Amino acid sequence: DGGITQSPKYLFRKEGQNVTLSCEQNLNHDAMYWYRQDPGQGLRLIYYSQIVNDFQKGDIAEGYSVSREKKESFPLTVTSAQKNPTAFYLCASIDQTGGPDTQYFGPGTRLTVL
Amino acid sequence: AQTVTQSQPEMSVQEAETVTLSCTYDTSESDYYLFWYKQPPSRQMILVIRQEAYKQQNATENRFSVNFQKAAKSFSLKISDSQLGDAAMYFCAYRSGLIQGAQKLVFGQGTRLTINP
Repeated sequence: DGGITQSPKYLFRKEGQNVTLSCEQNLNHDAMYWYRQDPGQGLRLIYYSQIVNDFQKGDIAEGYSVSREKKESFPLTVTSAQKNPTAFYLCASIDQTGGPDTQYFGPGTRLTVL
Repeated sequence: AQTVTQSQPEMSVQEAETVTLSCTYDTSESDYYLFWYKQPPSRQMILVIRQEAYKQQNATENRFSVNFQKAAKSFSLKISDSQLGDAAMYFCAYRSGLIQGAQKLVFGQGTRLTINP
């Protein structure tokens, strides 16, 4: 089945540690996105990538980093510089080659800082 | 910058009844897309319906339909014959129609919908 997978589902981090959230898609989509969701709020864009080896900051990029070495993969690193990292993180991808160009989401990762 | 506002933090409806969720947005663009996403307790974001701004006809998907008022910048979602499985957070989202751009979604704060049996 085609889709987006995120791992792990739950992640616990000690203060001062960097952690990496995985996002993989087999939809052959060019563009991928990372969003953050806080309780009772909508999603906010952290980073996005429209093509391999290129990515751009979103609205709340401070304290995060990404890479896009492969079309299928767009990992997000939450660094120790992120002051309030406890949140739900969603990865999404979109087909920009003439398809329905709707964003499809992965199941998410819940990050908790201990 | 574009903004999306959902003024109803919570709504409830009796099973089999009809409910309408409100959404307004602010933009200076003429070409854009609007979406309603559903987020059940599993937290998976599921696309419910989408509307292209250039289309005058309101989008429909089975029991879900929208009332798109471009001049008023309003995009409400109507759920007919509500079912227990419709209980979820519903998010309204905006995306620019510009070809060159992030294609990012701008989300509202969400409306929590409860279905009463």
